Amino acid sequence: QKEVEQNSGPLSVPEGAIASLNCTYSDRGSQSFFWYRQYSGKSPELIMSIYSNGDKEDGRFTAQLNKASQYVSLLIRDSQPSDSATYLCAVNLSSYKLIFGSGTRLLVRP
Amino acid sequence: DTEVTQTPKHLVMGMTNKKSLKCEQHMGHRAMYWYKQKAKKPPELMFVYSYEKLSINESVPSRFSPECPNSSLLNLHLHALQPEDSALYLCASSQVGQGGTDTQYFGPGTRLTVL
Repeated sequence: QKEVEQNSGPLSVPEGAIASLNCTYSDRGSQSFFWYRQYSGKSPELIMSIYSNGDKEDGRFTAQLNKASQYVSLLIRDSQPSDSATYLCAVNLSSYKLIFGSGTRLLVRP
Repeated sequence: DTEVTQTPKHLVMGMTNKKSLKCEQHMGHRAMYWYKQKAKKPPELMFVYSYEKLSINESVPSRFSPECPNSSLLNLHLHALQPEDSALYLCASSQVGQGGTDTQYFGPGTRLTVL
């Protein structure tokens, strides 16, 4: 069974802090990794994609990938209350199949 | 523009009704997907179309019938659903391939309630 694991949270951080979200995956053959943000009742929105080991930065967001340790993380700097949502880690096993983690709920306290 | 549209936004239907969900994208993507999402759970893949042909059916009951009339449109026909089929139905699209071209973009979803 191919798995993607996330801590369900909630992860509570004060406004302005760095939020760190983590994800591990089981299939060493995975090549594409994604973070989606999902507000309650809404659809998943792509935040970041990452394909190579190392860091990828986009504004306040940084994705980190370590294929040897089979983990991918998302850092959110200067967290805002509007960042409060569920963050879904997804791993692409093939051209079409995304395997999602169960999501981490983030709460940013004003 | 990374927009996938879905209609209707909300749908309430009885167990004997027939209805359809519609999805459209104009990004030139050749892969389109249907997902089902229950509350507090991640999306579950139902169907994948690639170049307008059904590539993946994740053992979905026959009361769900997908259709891909052309490269921009995807339908999901619903018939004789059960109350447990109530969920958020998500459409997504992507290019075909790997190495940076497989990013899936989701539409806003259709909230389905089966009475």
